[in-house]
Amino acid sequence: AQKVTQAQTEISVVEKEDVTLDCVYETRDTTYYLFWYKQPPSGELVFLIRRNSFDEQNEISGRYSWNFQKSTSSFNFTITASQVVDSAVYFCALSGGNFGNEKLTFGTGTRLTIIP
Amino acid sequence: GAVVSQHPSWVICKSGTSVKIECRSLDFQATTMFWYRQFPKQSLMLMATSNEGSKATYEQGVEKDKFLINHASLTLSTLTVTSAHPEDSSFYICSAGQGGLLHFGNGTRLTVT
Repeated sequence: AQKVTQAQTEISVVEKEDVTLDCVYETRDTTYYLFWYKQPPSGELVFLIRRNSFDEQNEISGRYSWNFQKSTSSFNFTITASQVVDSAVYFCALSGGNFGNEKLTFGTGTRLTIIP
Repeated sequence: GAVVSQHPSWVICKSGTSVKIECRSLDFQATTMFWYRQFPKQSLMLMATSNEGSKATYEQGVEKDKFLINHASLTLSTLTVTSAHPEDSSFYICSAGQGGLLHFGNGTRLTVT
């Protein structure tokens, strides 16, 4: 069975601070995909990143960066110089299979509030 | 632009009535679509896998007679909430895969009064 744990239920930081959202996963698949999504109050899921299990390179996209550590089964997400627009619920998710376009197991989400 | 269209965005219905939610893949064919449910301030939970031309696969604890799924074409899956009750009030969202990418609809917020 697959499982995704986001231990941080809610986080509040002051604008311009850096913040890291933790994600730990469990799977028996040798090939799998990890995702991060942002869900603003309007409800839609905004795709942030997809990473397959064979690619442990860290990735940076603007103020966002991701740290994939297969040894600790973690896929953490850092926002640098946070902004009020970053306030949302963030979900980490896991998918088995070879293509990463299948059903997802979501973590419980982290509600991030950026205080102006 | 959106590659998965979900309709309606929100719906309010009376207890005991049925509600149909549509999920369409735009410009691509999807033999499989996924339906999720999200209760307020909770995570997204997979309800069922919709398979074109065959029966849907439901997750444990999801009533297949209450949540009817029809995937009659390669671009359309529908979820019908039958005899809706207030506890069915939730956010329903679908997804479909295309070429290694996963696309989500914008979701449907259902309120049963």
